[in-house]
Amino acid sequence: SQQGEEDPQALSIQEGENATMNCSYKTSINNLQWYRQNSGRGLVHLILIRSNEREKHSGRLRVTLDTSKKSSSLLITASRAADTASYFCATSGSRDDKIIFGKGTRLHILP
Amino acid sequence: ETGVTQSPTHLIKTRGQQVTLRCSSQSGHNTVSWYQQALGQGPQFIFQYYREEENGRGNFPPRFSGLQFPNYSSELNVNALELDDSALYLCASSLGEWYTEAFFGQGTRLTVV
Repeated sequence: SQQGEEDPQALSIQEGENATMNCSYKTSINNLQWYRQNSGRGLVHLILIRSNEREKHSGRLRVTLDTSKKSSSLLITASRAADTASYFCATSGSRDDKIIFGKGTRLHILP
Repeated sequence: ETGVTQSPTHLIKTRGQQVTLRCSSQSGHNTVSWYQQALGQGPQFIFQYYREEENGRGNFPPRFSGLQFPNYSSELNVNALELDDSALYLCASSLGEWYTEAFFGQGTRLTVV
């Protein structure tokens, strides 16, 4: 079964706008990661946030983690056409633990 | 860019046949995981190998098996292929530490007819 649940399932926004995706999970974690996937190919790692961190930035990406609510959000600012992809959150519960993925959010940036 | 490579990129097999997919891990990584991704779904964890030993398995039948070699490359074997096995198979390598990310290959697209 999948640990994370992304919300929304699909999102369409105009180029230049900000995109926000949310992820909820069920059990305690050690870290949470966000990945991007273009056209059903390999996943590209975007950012990892540890359970003792609340916010992390990487370029136009901002990730927050609220362990009390078991939720995370990914914000992409000033979206570009190249950001069109599926975005997945993935959780890991312990050392050497498997990474469990959600079903993803399909993001479409409109020109 | 990821150093994880998978082969082949595409494969068509007949129901009942057996298939072997291969993965070359990123240099220095001792953990490899395999995932099955059906169209429109998130990757589903198949199993994970750490230093040549399986150390985690998802909800997949025994006809899904694997190997990790001393150089940390890996194989995924699927016996008695079924139509529902058609999917993208992804391999990921990592250092096996909870604070590091996994690096994915581009996947093998398996079609069972």
